Amino acid sequence: DADVTQTPRNRITKTGKRIMLECSQTKGHDRMYWYRQDPGLGLRLIYYSFDVKDINKGEISDGYSVSRQAQAKFSLSLESAIPNQTALYFCATSDTGLALEQFFGPGTRLTVL
Amino acid sequence: AQKVTQAQTEISVVEKEDVTLDCVYETRDTTYYLFWYKQPPSGELVFLIRRNSFDEQNEISGRYSWNFQKSTSSFNFTITASQVVDSAVYFCALTTDNAGNMLTFGGGTRLMVKP
Repeated sequence: DADVTQTPRNRITKTGKRIMLECSQTKGHDRMYWYRQDPGLGLRLIYYSFDVKDINKGEISDGYSVSRQAQAKFSLSLESAIPNQTALYFCATSDTGLALEQFFGPGTRLTVL
Repeated sequence: AQKVTQAQTEISVVEKEDVTLDCVYETRDTTYYLFWYKQPPSGELVFLIRRNSFDEQNEISGRYSWNFQKSTSSFNFTITASQVVDSAVYFCALTTDNAGNMLTFGGGTRLMVKP
């Protein structure tokens, strides 16, 4: 079984709808991250959480919110989706420590019409 | 602030050719960490290597090798005798002591290896 899972894997929605992307991990890591990938721009950090009570904005947090429900679960919400939020979204985890490897989920492809 | 530049957006080679993927980084921090990730057509991100700024030794792992040069702020990745399975998008990334574990990614290089 995959260590980092994301649901759904694909989603098509309409402008203005609220969308939640979910991430679960079985690696026992405290740190979790949400990234979005756009062609030519690589991955950009949206939000990150170093433990259940810690939530931090990343480079591109506007239009997004997150919830860390448990050590193993980290959800990303788009309160009112817009077309330029069409992208591939990745969740990642890492162990506590400096600059350790991040383990990525399989990604969620989101299309906002 | 830090920045990672992968100037090659796409590279196409024929199987068994050697290929080098360039990565140039910018940071004002003296302690930093560089990474390479592979994204095959299936979409997942696979960790390849992590290198810290104090270790300028080149790394070799099978057909893969990495050349870290602080003088030119580069961390280039070479695949020797490329294979079709090497076809993927490759990302270089950077984090620093001050950035905690937050990665700054380059735009990626799409490598196509033709049989």
